[in-house]
Amino acid sequence: AQRVTQPEKLLSVFKGAPVELKCNYSYSGSPELFWYVQYSRQRLQLLLRHISRESIKGFTADLNKGETSFHLKKPFAQEEDSAMYYCAPFGGGTGNQFYFGTGTSLTVIP
Amino acid sequence: KAGVTQTPRYLIKTRGQQVTLSCSPISGHRSVSWYQQTPGQGLQFLFEYFSETQRNKGNFPGRFSGRQFSNSRSEMNVSTLELGDSALYLCASSGRASADTQYFGPGTRLTVL
Repeated sequence: AQRVTQPEKLLSVFKGAPVELKCNYSYSGSPELFWYVQYSRQRLQLLLRHISRESIKGFTADLNKGETSFHLKKPFAQEEDSAMYYCAPFGGGTGNQFYFGTGTSLTVIP
Repeated sequence: KAGVTQTPRYLIKTRGQQVTLSCSPISGHRSVSWYQQTPGQGLQFLFEYFSETQRNKGNFPGRFSGRQFSNSRSEMNVSTLELGDSALYLCASSGRASADTQYFGPGTRLTVL
């Protein structure tokens, strides 16, 4: 069965510290990988997708096919980064649908 | 462009009733997907409609159904409601391909008593 795991439900870091949100997936084939974010009282929205290789709001994500991971990283966390983050593989055995992880709630402590 | 809209925003129903939720996608978007969000299970894919046809379906019982109209607006219906159906139901629209960026609505909060 296709699975996506975000091992940390809650993550707290101090402002200015590096942050890494983990995502591991197990799928046949090669899914396309996304990170979605939900800020307080806002809608769920796309943060970044692997294929575009962009850095959004200072976040990057590296696909490691050997470890089947797609961890989200930012070198210096900001208070406005506090939000709920979801890893979402698509395709490559997911049946052409998004499988969202259960999410990681990030709190950046001032 | 106006964003994805969902109506109603809140609903309270009792077990055994049925409910219909509505979603209006971003203008020009032809794909509409529905998700159920609960604290325990997170976001789970229900189904996707494209050009009035169900293109993909998640692993939910047949009580959950949907449809899409020619103007791309979509409705989701849940029959014979159960307590476990209490959740936030999110709708997302995208341009064409299923893997296009999903633009989410604010959700409909359904409470089943």
